[in-house]
Amino acid sequence: GESVGLHLPTLSVQEGDNSIINCAYSNSASDYFIWYKQESGKGPQFIIDIRSNMDKRQGQRVTVLLNKTVKHLSLQIAATQPGDSAVYFCAENYPSNTGKLIFGQGTTLQVKP
Amino acid sequence: GAGVSQTPSNKVTEKGKYVELRCDPISGHTALYWYRQSLGQGPEFLIYFQGTGAADDSGLPNDRFFAVRPEGSVSTLKIQRTERGDSAVYLCASSLTSVLLAGSADTQYFGPGTRLTVL
Repeated sequence: GESVGLHLPTLSVQEGDNSIINCAYSNSASDYFIWYKQESGKGPQFIIDIRSNMDKRQGQRVTVLLNKTVKHLSLQIAATQPGDSAVYFCAENYPSNTGKLIFGQGTTLQVKP
Repeated sequence: GAGVSQTPSNKVTEKGKYVELRCDPISGHTALYWYRQSLGQGPEFLIYFQGTGAADDSGLPNDRFFAVRPEGSVSTLKIQRTERGDSAVYLCASSLTSVLLAGSADTQYFGPGTRLTVL
């Protein structure tokens, strides 16, 4: 069935290192993808998005890469900080003619000081 | 500016009772979405409004769940005859436009959620 999944449930990194969080999606027709950060007890916070006509998009300290050939999405965080510790979700807009987002189960990022 | 707000932040109710959850979207946002998030899971889509109309309610689990947005701003999610399985965090999001209005998806900004506990 339709699903968006993450390869690793927990990622532990040293403060200052770069982090890479991966995501596999199932629907080749999806044309819009979003990364969210969720801290305990809070709602998902928008980080960065990308449309299917792009393969890379950069923000402040974050980069999203999209590989449509293998249906893979990744989030790169540069110089990871303790405040980056949270659960990260990727989401895809599918069907693309609706407003529906399908979320994966999330990856927990732990930043060690 | 103010983000999406949801009230109450916590709601405890007894099985069989009726509950209403409220969402105030970001001012000027035309689209509004409801999701449900169980512990340890990603949010699951329930319903989406463009303006006052429900554009997609395919995620509502059954007819005990209903949502309205009468004036195209505030929305209320209503759950009748609550069951223990309805316990979850109910999230609301809004976006400036939507695929229905603009032909492409727009960024959805989430509120803090309402934690519903059914005893």
